[in-house]
Amino acid sequence: SYVLSQTPSVSVAPGATAKISCVGNDIGSRSVHWYQQKTGQAPMLVIFYDNGRPSGVSERLSGSVYGNTATLTITRVEAGDEADYFCQVWDRNGDLGVFGTGTKVTVL
Amino acid sequence: QVQLEESGPGLVTPSQTLSLTCSVSGASISTSGYYWGWIRQRPGKGPEWIGFMYHTGSFYYSPSLRSRAAILLDTPRNRLSLRLTSLTAADTAIYYCARALYTGGTAYFDMWGLGTLVTVSS
Repeated sequence: SYVLSQTPSVSVAPGATAKISCVGNDIGSRSVHWYQQKTGQAPMLVIFYDNGRPSGVSERLSGSVYGNTATLTITRVEAGDEADYFCQVWDRNGDLGVFGTGTKVTVL
Repeated sequence: QVQLEESGPGLVTPSQTLSLTCSVSGASISTSGYYWGWIRQRPGKGPEWIGFMYHTGSFYYSPSLRSRAAILLDTPRNRLSLRLTSLTAADTAIYYCARALYTGGTAYFDMWGLGTLVTVSS
């Protein structure tokens, strides 16, 4: 089955830039979506189709894909960005949704 | 404003069947372009996709749960349900209903319910 691997945790100072990686075999051939999950809340879509942003999501969040790695970048990090972030793709071979292992972002 | 709200038993006995309902407001589950389904999240883990269904009857299930899961869309009542049989402790999780866009060879989940915690224990 298709696997998406993420760094378990990232710590970043306020105002700095956080980069969250998602590694998967040939991920560049798939569309990558990202979700933010704050403590005790449901996940929320923040990036779709690699770099699309739903209405209401901060422009400080952006997505990119290169090679076998997708990256979610958060610029000018704020305390409110502290959350778990999950990448997700659709595995066309198995016709199923696959989520990454998740990255916990801590704002110092 | 689209809202999804899950309901169901918080505690289920091992080997029994779980039945959950998700009431949808602010959108019709018969709207073209959207699938409706379920995702769960075990304690301390990432989300796990269970499956989703389109109002015309098209459906997709996770291979690991296909033999035990069933999703139904109740269009007159604008709600969806999940049945999961032969429960074990490994099914203990928060269960979310979600709306999905499935197009262009990909699918993503743009609306989620608040989730309902299901504990499998005797």
